[in-house]
Amino acid sequence: EIVLTQSPGTLSLSPGERATLSCGASQTISNNYLAWYQQKPGQAPRLLIYGASSRATGIPDRFSGSGSGTDFTLTISRLEPEDFAVYYCQQYGSSSFTFGPGTKVDIK
Amino acid sequence: QVQLVESGGGVVQPGRSLRLSCAASGFSFRSFGMHWVRQAPGKGLEWVAVIWYDGSNEYYADSVKGRFTISRDNSRNTLYLQMNSLRSDDTAVYFCARAPLWAPPDYWGQGTLVIVSS
Repeated sequence: EIVLTQSPGTLSLSPGERATLSCGASQTISNNYLAWYQQKPGQAPRLLIYGASSRATGIPDRFSGSGSGTDFTLTISRLEPEDFAVYYCQQYGSSSFTFGPGTKVDIK
Repeated sequence: QVQLVESGGGVVQPGRSLRLSCAASGFSFRSFGMHWVRQAPGKGLEWVAVIWYDGSNEYYADSVKGRFTISRDNSRNTLYLQMNSLRSDDTAVYFCARAPLWAPPDYWGQGTLVIVSS
């Protein structure tokens, strides 16, 4: 089973700042099948990025994904008030679709 | 529009069984893989199981393997999760989600809460 780690656990930033979130895998993720989700309290997760770097439908271009192999990054170029949430990475390159533990982005 | 509505959650005693359902509408259900993902109170997301669009393949997290069974009825546009031998650490909100082939879940339901407690 591929184990995902995320850092930092919490990121405290102000609106307008840049957020950089990391996701690491215990082994290479085939085809860079790595996704990022945003989740707000009481809501279902929302798909942001798939294939490590492709934005899902309707996702603003301030969200971008990069990386390959075992190291991936989600960048939010300028934080909007609605971006403060928890972010999860998920790999779907194996038959066990594991999630990372999440990074909480909160308001500084 | 795509809709996924989970049902069947509730309070159940340890060791007992429960079956969750997920009613799908607004898309061609038979063309999509379907997942169950759960979230314990105050915790992160945990992938539970997936079933291929035609039911030909199923995969499970180690934590539920041998106890949970995912299935689907494409004639009823419905996904199921049969949960047996429930334990307290199965307490969570259970989400169903659809996934195109070789793609991550893109639409999710709002979840149904399962509480395992005596």
